[in-house]
Amino acid sequence: NAGVTQTPKFRILKIGQSMTLQCTQDMNHNYMYWYRQDPGMGLKLIYYSVGAGITDKGEVPNGYNVSRSTTEDFPLRLELAAPSQTSVYFCASSPRTREGNGYTFGSGTRLTVV
Amino acid sequence: ILNVEQSPQSLHVQEGDSTNFTCSFPSSNFYALHWYRWETAKSPEALFVMTLNGDEKKKGRISATLNTKEGYSYLYIKGSQPEDSATYLCAFASSGAGSYQLTFGKGTKLSVIP
Repeated sequence: NAGVTQTPKFRILKIGQSMTLQCTQDMNHNYMYWYRQDPGMGLKLIYYSVGAGITDKGEVPNGYNVSRSTTEDFPLRLELAAPSQTSVYFCASSPRTREGNGYTFGSGTRLTVV
Repeated sequence: ILNVEQSPQSLHVQEGDSTNFTCSFPSSNFYALHWYRWETAKSPEALFVMTLNGDEKKKGRISATLNTKEGYSYLYIKGSQPEDSATYLCAFASSGAGSYQLTFGKGTKLSVIP
């Protein structure tokens, strides 16, 4: 059982470039999330999804896009990379927030924009 | 934006000491409270999902209590071991539209000195 698989683990982008962070889960969770973690700032929610075809903005969505065409996949797209997007990104999935054993996180993607 | 506060920010304890940390969250519209353990260079791992006022949960030497009326939760570690060194996160979900997502505190970083 793989849990939540995130790729790539590391990436360096130049300003203005685009990329997609991939996230796949095999636990049949309806809820999926993208967080970013900046030093001293804790985890901030970028986007979330409550099921295939449904996405919604979190606290810091600017500069990002997501899609949820299947239950398993929840990719995060950066269209025009900016230095402010240098961060560690975590994908997570869960059952409802009152149920189960909490979020299962991916291993993270460390992104540097130069 | 919901305010989830954790204290202390960091602490150092001797091996064998017991310790506790605090998580404060809004006392209205409570839905769920989660605790996570986050080791350096790894992903957060869920410890507890708490949903009822007065809840007490235990996993080995770690336990947690919940007071939804006053908006706080305590995490206790009994007989700290070096392998307990990690950042401990709490996360809050409010009822209604917020029930789909967690707002994380900045964490308490625990260092256990052998």
